[in-house]
Amino acid sequence: GNSVTQMEGPVTLSEEAFLTINCTYTATGYPSLFWYVQYPGEGLQLLLKATKADDKGSNKGFEATYRKETTSFHLEKGSVQVSDSAVYFCALTPNQAGTALIFGKGTTLSVSS
Amino acid sequence: GAVVSQHPSWVICKSGTSVKIECRSLDFQATTMFWYRQFPKQSLMLMATSNEGSKATYEQGVEKDKFLINHASLTLSTLTVTSAHPEDSSFYICSAPDNVGDSPLHFGNGTRLTVT
Repeated sequence: GNSVTQMEGPVTLSEEAFLTINCTYTATGYPSLFWYVQYPGEGLQLLLKATKADDKGSNKGFEATYRKETTSFHLEKGSVQVSDSAVYFCALTPNQAGTALIFGKGTTLSVSS
Repeated sequence: GAVVSQHPSWVICKSGTSVKIECRSLDFQATTMFWYRQFPKQSLMLMATSNEGSKATYEQGVEKDKFLINHASLTLSTLTVTSAHPEDSSFYICSAPDNVGDSPLHFGNGTRLTVT
């Protein structure tokens, strides 16, 4: 079956520190991979995505590369800001139109100044 | 961009009562909507797929008689938690694909249900 595993949080960093949140997946076929972010009191928002192996998704300084050989999609940012404090979800979809996303458990990031 | 509106954002009810949660796609039509449930510090678990004009498809372990889903139109799906109990307290989130934008799904802001 399809599943997503992401690192346990919370992750606590100082401003301008380097961020990595690990995500690995299990899937049949060729899934698309996503990172969603949930800011306090808000709904889920798409942060970035990659639809095939070796694709790199990037947005707002965040990056993640679709690694088929290691079935991973780790999220990175070179210099975090306080405003990046949120819950981050790794997710996949089996690439069939109209199918639901399968989520990891979410990782809470807290950035202090 | 595409927006999904979910209402109410929070609700408190007594055990044994029923609660209805609405999910609307505001600027696109959604023949399919998904209902998720999120426990504290847990992932979003898919509960059911709501299909306009036909019965919802429930995930294994989800009681269809407790969580009634009605997809009344191309822009509205409702989830009714019937005879609610404290263990039904959770965060419920709806989502819908618009098949146009970058995101495969657009999400509502969620409904925090507390059953006392």
